Formats: sequence, structure tokens, C-alpha cells
Amino acid sequence: EVQLLESGGALVQPGGSLRLSCAASGFTFSSYVMAWVRQAPAKGLEWVSTINTDGVSTFYADSVKGRFTISRDNSKNTMYLQMNSLRAEDTAVYYCAKKFGYGYALDYWGQGTLVTVSS
Amino acid sequence: DIQMTQSPSTLSASIGDRVTITCRASQNINNWLAWYQQKPGKAPNLLIYKASTLESGVPSGFSGSGSGTEFTLTISCLQPDDFATYYCQQYDNYPWTFGQGTRVEIK
Repeated sequence: EVQLLESGGALVQPGGSLRLSCAASGFTFSSYVMAWVRQAPAKGLEWVSTINTDGVSTFYADSVKGRFTISRDNSKNTMYLQMNSLRAEDTAVYYCAKKFGYGYALDYWGQGTLVTVSS
Repeated sequence: DIQMTQSPSTLSASIGDRVTITCRASQNINNWLAWYQQKPGKAPNLLIYKASTLESGVPSGFSGSGSGTEFTLTISCLQPDDFATYYCQQYDNYPWTFGQGTRVEIK
């Protein structure tokens, strides 16, 4: 059974940092593109970042570029999102999701982890 | 960035109705278009990818169509479990972008 389990969400002050993790199981993690998508309270979905299977190719939304870093450890079947210089507008549920490759969409999502940025 | 515009924002319908949601891209996205269903407090669930390919396990009452910049999601016979919010998403170019969502509510 495919599982994606996010962790690391918390209440953090503006300007602070957090690292989210996404632990994967039930599929060949190293063969899948992985992504983070967030959803602010009562808002729509916003793509945050994507990392290719090799862990070298990464992509970011302009809203997080330079502040967030996506990475993966294929030996641990885990993806990460290092979030620095957090702002109130980063408050959201952060979902991790997987994608088989070119032409495929995000076919499985975790249940999400809540990040709240507030003083 | 490619803008994705969904219509309507809210749709009131009855069990058994045929429902259509439209998604328009600001430029050609080469059919790299997905549809997701999301229920309150839950993660999104993939319904359709590549504009018209039904994801495995998704009921056949869901279908997608369109090309270029205009796409539709159709629910042929609305079931109680289908009341939810639906999002389109383009994955042709980065940044990937989502439509604002269409809430399907009970009439």
C-alpha cells in the first residue's frame, strides 16, 4: 500500500525555520518525481516545489524561491522541505505528492502537515 | 506563468444530475492537464490526467475532455460521494498552476 507521511509541521515565529519530511513506502521511491503543494486555510491549492528522481533537478514557486530548499534521500525513502525566513503567508497545510514521470500527474498525496507562522 | 481559470466557482446540483466544470489555460498546455477532487480536511485525489485519461480506480462516471487551452470535467450522474471541491492543474510548464477550484454543493 502506498503511503506518504508528512511530519515536521509546527507553530513558528516569522523569520523562523522548519524542516518538513515526507516518508514514503509501498512504491519504488527513487523512480518517482516528488513535490510539495500547500493549501492556506480556506484557500486553494498552490504548488511549492518539485524534485526529480535524481535529486539534482529542482523547481520552486517564485513565492518560496531563495527561502525554501527541497531535497530527497533515496536511501531513506524520504523527501524534505527546508523552510527558512518564514512569513505569515506561508501558513498552510503542506502536502507531499508523487508523480511517475513525464506526462503523469500527482497520483498520490499524503495527508498533510500544518505549518503556522505567527508571533 | 500560466493562469488556470475554472468556472463556475460554485455549482449547485442534485443527485443524478450531469455536471460540467470548465478550466481555461492562459496558453496552450499540450493537454498536460489534471483534475483533482478534494473533500474537507482531506488530501486531493487524482481523477484525470493528460486531459482525458481516467486514473486507475476512479469511477467511470468521471470524464475529461478538451485540448489546447479549454478543458472540461464531466460527472455524468452525480452521486452523494461526489459533493466536493474540484481543481484543475497544468503540469506543462513550471511553475505548475492550479485553478481556483469549483465547489459542487447539494441543491
